[in-house]
Amino acid sequence: QDQMVQSGTAVMRTGSSVKVSCKVSGGSFWNYAFSWMRQAPGQGLEWMGGIIPSIPTPKYSQKFQDRLTLSADESTSTTYLELSSLRSDDTAVYFCARGSEDSGSYLHPLDSWGQGTLVIVSS
Amino acid sequence: EIVMTQSPVTLSVSPGEGATLSCRASQSVGRSLAWYQQKPGQAPRLLIYGASTRATGIPARFSGSGSGTEFTLTLSSLQSEDFAVYYCHQYFSWPPLTFGGGTKVEIK
Repeated sequence: QDQMVQSGTAVMRTGSSVKVSCKVSGGSFWNYAFSWMRQAPGQGLEWMGGIIPSIPTPKYSQKFQDRLTLSADESTSTTYLELSSLRSDDTAVYFCARGSEDSGSYLHPLDSWGQGTLVIVSS
Repeated sequence: EIVMTQSPVTLSVSPGEGATLSCRASQSVGRSLAWYQQKPGQAPRLLIYGASTRATGIPARFSGSGSGTEFTLTLSSLQSEDFAVYYCHQYFSWPPLTFGGGTKVEIK
């Protein structure tokens, strides 16, 4: 099974931006749907948005529409999450995950997950 | 947005006993329902998809059932490694994909 490796812990200032990477090893990338979720301390999972590398337009949760940018680099099989205007309540672990089918659709369970990236936001 | 509601929030179970976890959707999701297990400091792991199909490598003591708006995850003969938080997830409709709030299965 492919592995997904995320970038390390990030400590950020309020108002700044953070960029988290998620590299897929194994070559299965182009037509899969990648979702990004976050998990605040002691809380559940929250879907933020998704990207299919073969389709130019990512999809975002309305909650993050104004601050979130997802991108993908086919040459390195890496997806990126960039969140701007950080606030203290953005402190969370951020996960990437891949849909189970190479179908160009988000409507599949998430069968491969990155290990998570802790983002700490402080003033 | 489809809201997923899990119950109970916490379940206290003795090792060797069984447990039943519930997940309710605010509207029908057909059988597009997955269950995940998450242990502290780890990413979620896919257990069940299509409401009742076990993912690769998942032991038979985990079973899922249901369709439409009502779903159940049954854990039989709980082992020490099964104490964790369990999440349901609908992938019938997006955006957004949505998760339940989780059920923590703890040792009694």
